[in-house]
Amino acid sequence: SQQGEEDPQALSIQEGENATMNCSYKTSINNLQWYRQNSGRGLVHLILIRSNEREKHSGRLRVTLDTSKKSSSLLITASRAADTASYFCSTDMFSGGYNKLIFGAGTRLAVHP
Amino acid sequence: DSGVTQTPKHLITATGQRVTLRCSPRSGDLSVYWYQQSLDQGLQFLIQYYNGEERAKGNILERFSAQQFPDLHSELNLSSLELGDSALYFCASSGGGGAETQYFGPGTRLLVL
Repeated sequence: SQQGEEDPQALSIQEGENATMNCSYKTSINNLQWYRQNSGRGLVHLILIRSNEREKHSGRLRVTLDTSKKSSSLLITASRAADTASYFCSTDMFSGGYNKLIFGAGTRLAVHP
Repeated sequence: DSGVTQTPKHLITATGQRVTLRCSPRSGDLSVYWYQQSLDQGLQFLIQYYNGEERAKGNILERFSAQQFPDLHSELNLSSLELGDSALYFCASSGGGGAETQYFGPGTRLLVL
C-alpha cells in the first residue's frame, strides 16, 4: 500500500470556493511535499513542509501537517478554473539504505466556472 | 518550465518491440528518477540513478532497464513491449540523492498497439 494516500479521490467545486485535500501516511517522515499535475503534463512542485513545521503558506495555498495523526492537508483558497488538476502528496521513506519519495494516488480537483 | 527535458513526446509502437526514452536533468542535478503513470496504477516509481550509479529500484519490470551517462542524461529502455506498457513515462531530477524536491519533465506518452 502507498505511504501517502490522498482523500478524497475526486473533488468538484465552484470557482471562488475553497478546496481541501488530505493526505495520510504510515511511517515517520522528515518532510511532506505537495505536487500538482495538469492533465497529461509533468508534476509541478507546490510546497514542502518539514516534520517540525505545523503550517506553511504559499500564495493561495495553505498546508498543515499533524505528525501525531500522520496526516497533512492542502487548502486552496478562492479557487479558480485554472486550479483544475490532480494533486499529489509525497512523503520521504527510508528504504534500501536510502531516503526516497513515495507518491500517493492523488486527488482530482475540478473547479467549475 | 522545470528544466528537465524528455524525448520523444509521443511514441507509438507495436507489441514485442523495444524503445528508448531519453531524459536530460536540470543543470547541476545529479539524480534522475523514472516513473510510470497509467490510468489504473497511478504514479509508479521505477528507478533512480545518482551520479551515474543506480540508487534505488521500485516496481521496474525485468524487461525494462535504465542507465545514466557521464553527462548525467539518462535513458530508459523498454523491451518486449506489451499492451499494458502503454502509459506516460516521466523523468524527474533533483540535486542530491535523497528525498528533496523533484523536478519533473513533460513526459513521454507511449502507446503500444
